[in-house]
Amino acid sequence: KAGVTQTPRYLIKTRGQQVTLSCSPISGHRSVSWYQQTPGQGLQFLFEYFSETQRNKGNFPGRFSGRQFSNSRSEMNVSTLELGDSALYLCASSRTGDYEQFFGPGTRLTVL
Amino acid sequence: AQSVTQPDIHITVSEGASLELRCNYSYGATPYLFWYVQSPGQGLQLLLKYFSGDTLVQGIKGFEAEFKRSQSSFNLRKPSVHWSDAAEYFCAVGGGSQGNLIFGKGTKLSVKP
Repeated sequence: KAGVTQTPRYLIKTRGQQVTLSCSPISGHRSVSWYQQTPGQGLQFLFEYFSETQRNKGNFPGRFSGRQFSNSRSEMNVSTLELGDSALYLCASSRTGDYEQFFGPGTRLTVL
Repeated sequence: AQSVTQPDIHITVSEGASLELRCNYSYGATPYLFWYVQSPGQGLQLLLKYFSGDTLVQGIKGFEAEFKRSQSSFNLRKPSVHWSDAAEYFCAVGGGSQGNLIFGKGTKLSVKP
């Protein structure tokens, strides 16, 4: 069974631009969560989607948004990029009712 | 407040030596506990998890962890470290009504030959 995939793996953007990251969960997994990882703040939860609905949200500004499609694939969008948004963005999927999360390789976003 | 504390930012051990990485948590609901490992530039790989039952859990790559409710701890151990174990290790807690995990800041493990 294929693991969680994330595209693209690397992105370079400039301040003020927007970016969309994509995540395909493990087949059969309906829950997708997003995390931001930085050296200073560590791993921080962004949001969780289940059956196309945002079920849970972390403490991030409204510039960070996401969505989930009927096939459970998910995208997250960051608008008006800031230098501090440079991070590794990790997507994780899980089975319904299971707390164990399976992580993708991440998308490394660099904002110049 | 829900939190996970990993008191050691960086640990160096000799190859073949034993290892213990500490993790303490604060969580209002029944905790589900995890240890993940991350190699440079990679995502997180699950080493082991504790949901209920036997408080000593075995994981992959020869790792084990012990859940101690009275100490709110879930320390990770390995009897003999290999050079390939060099990586960053994260303790995480989840459960209750929230589907997300709360992570500690991580412990970076270096292995001396």
